[in-house]
Amino acid sequence: AQTVTQSQPEMSVQEAETVTLSCTYDTSESNYYLFWYKQPPSRQMILVIRQEAYKQQNATENRFSVNFQKAAKSFSLKISDSQLGDAAMYFCALTPSGNTPLVFGKGTRLSVIA
Amino acid sequence: SQTIHQWPATLVQPVGSPLSLECTVEGTSNPNLYWYRQAAGRGLQLLFYSVGIGQISSEVPQNLSASRPQDRQFILSSKKLLLSDSGFYLCAWSSLAGIEQYFGPGTRLTVT
Repeated sequence: AQTVTQSQPEMSVQEAETVTLSCTYDTSESNYYLFWYKQPPSRQMILVIRQEAYKQQNATENRFSVNFQKAAKSFSLKISDSQLGDAAMYFCALTPSGNTPLVFGKGTRLSVIA
Repeated sequence: SQTIHQWPATLVQPVGSPLSLECTVEGTSNPNLYWYRQAAGRGLQLLFYSVGIGQISSEVPQNLSASRPQDRQFILSSKKLLLSDSGFYLCAWSSLAGIEQYFGPGTRLTVT
């Protein structure tokens, strides 16, 4: 069984600053995929970034990057140059392969202060 | 491009009434389909998933059921709603060999 833990229920960041959201996971699979999803007030789930466990290089998407520590089973999301539109719930998720559902953490609510 | 629709956007139903939520995907064929529920202020709970028409797996034994009458249509139903069924219901799809899941806009259900 897979589990995903997000230990920060809420975070805040000043506009233009950098913030890191934490995620730890547990799985017995040798290969798996990790994701960060963003859920703004509209509640539409938006895929932010994806990381394949077999890749050592950390994924990057514009202002979003991850710090993937496979041995520690840690997968944090760094948001640089935070913008007001980044305010949302952020969910970390895991799947061992295609055709299998995602396992989600409970989320971190990020506030951006102008 | 692919698009996923959910209907209705919001719904208020009395306890004991039936439920039918619809999810349709456009622009792809033979997708994997998923139903999740999100209670207020909480994470997503997987309810059902289907990796092919006629194949539906249930993760949570409840008074809910799912059907896939067409390749790109996924229906969530209940014969009698409970108060605990209130929540935000999200449908998602992935390609047959894909990894990422893409979500619909969701349905907010309030059971009174």
